[in-house]
Amino acid sequence: GENVEQHPSTLSVQEGDSAVIKCTYSDSASNYFPWYKQELGKRPQLIIDIRSNVGEKKDQRIAVTLNKTAKHFSLHITETQPEDSAVYFCAASKSNYQLIWGAGTKLIIKP
Amino acid sequence: DAGVIQSPRHEVTEMGQEVTLRCKPISGHNSLFWYRQTMMRGLELLIYFNNNVPIDDSGMPEDRFSAKMPNASFSTLKIQPSEPRDSAVYFCASRVSENTEAFFGQGTRLTVV
Repeated sequence: GENVEQHPSTLSVQEGDSAVIKCTYSDSASNYFPWYKQELGKRPQLIIDIRSNVGEKKDQRIAVTLNKTAKHFSLHITETQPEDSAVYFCAASKSNYQLIWGAGTKLIIKP
Repeated sequence: DAGVIQSPRHEVTEMGQEVTLRCKPISGHNSLFWYRQTMMRGLELLIYFNNNVPIDDSGMPEDRFSAKMPNASFSTLKIQPSEPRDSAVYFCASRVSENTEAFFGQGTRLTVV
C-alpha cells in the first residue's frame, strides 16, 4: 500500500529565513498532495495542495513543488514569521482512496 | 456552514465505560473520516466512509471500536469498553469528493482513567 515519509521531524529556523519540508510517497498512482498545518491544540487545516498535473503551486509565502518521477513533494515557506510555528503534515492520495499522511514536522520559528 | 461539528469537546471516563463520540459533517460532503491523534502515533485513520458506506476500516484498533453512519449528516464512533490507552484526540473530517480538501472538526479529547 501507499506509504508517505516526511522529513525532518523537527525544523528550527530563524525568523525571516526560509523553511523546507520534504515528503516522499511510494504509490506512483497517487495524484493529490495536500499540506496541512496544525497549531497547538487546534485542528489540522489545509494550507496548500497540488495535483499531479502540476509541478509547482504558490500562494503568497507558501509554495509546493512536485517531482512525479522521483515521487517526492516539498513545502517551501519563505520569510518565516512567528505565526508559522506549528506542526505541518503532508499527505498523498489517489482516486477513490483515503489520504495517507506523513508523520508531521514540528516547525519552530526562532525570534 | 458551521463546519464539521464534533461532540463532546472533552470526555473523561473511567476504564470499562462505553464512550460515544459524535460527528456532523459539512452538508453536501460525501466522505467522512475518523482519525485518532496521539503524540506517540501521530494521526491515524480509523475508518473512512463514502456515501455513508464504510470503505476502509482497517485502522480500527480492535473489536472494542465501532463506527456508524446512519445518514449523510451524522456519524458516531463508539468504544466499548474503554481503556486508558484509548486516551487521545479523536478528529472527524469530511470532504465533498475525492482529492479535495478534508475539513476537520475541532476534535474530542478523550481521557480514560
